[in-house]
Amino acid sequence: DAEITQSPRHKITETGRQVTLACHQTWNHNNMFWYRQDLGHGLRLIHYSYGVQDTNKGEVSDGYSVSRSNTEDLPLTLESAASSQTSVYFCASSEGAQETQYFGPGTRLLVL
Amino acid sequence: AQKITQTQPGMFVQEKEAVTLDCTYDTSDQSYGLFWYKQPSSGEMIFLIYQGSYDEQNATEGRYSLNFQKARKSANLVISASQLGDSAMYFCAMRETSWYSSASKIIFGSGTRLSIRP
Repeated sequence: DAEITQSPRHKITETGRQVTLACHQTWNHNNMFWYRQDLGHGLRLIHYSYGVQDTNKGEVSDGYSVSRSNTEDLPLTLESAASSQTSVYFCASSEGAQETQYFGPGTRLLVL
Repeated sequence: AQKITQTQPGMFVQEKEAVTLDCTYDTSDQSYGLFWYKQPSSGEMIFLIYQGSYDEQNATEGRYSLNFQKARKSANLVISASQLGDSAMYFCAMRETSWYSSASKIIFGSGTRLSIRP
């Protein structure tokens, strides 16, 4: 069955380190998204991509980057992790403009 | 700017009762979509129901229905005959549609935590 996976599911890192969170989908969806979820804020969009080689900044993109070299993957990189980036990160994908977004299981990141 | 508001941070409901979770939105777009997602304690985000702005009938999916009142800009989720397994966080979301792009992104409300009492 098609699915969307994230790895790792849990990560502890130190401030200043570079961290990459993986997102892989087998739906063959063009659109992929990264969100972070914090108490009181719901989900906030970090970056998104509408296709290979396309990336766009979301609401809270500072300190994060993404790249899209193929349809299946959209890795999220924290260039220099900060304690404020402790959060739960969700990846999502959708086929087209009118399509529902389907979410991965989430990655819980703790920055010490 | 587009905005989603969920005014109920938490709700308690007796099992088997119906429950309505409120959601209001603000947009100047004529074409938009509204979603509800469920997030149980395990953490995953589960898609429940979708309503398009041009859909004339309220969306229904099993025990879930979306009470769409366009003039009031509300999109309340109604769960009939609630079950213990319905205890979760519920998020209302709206799809923004860009005129210059074939794709769009979703903005989320802050969520309502629903607890079902046995």
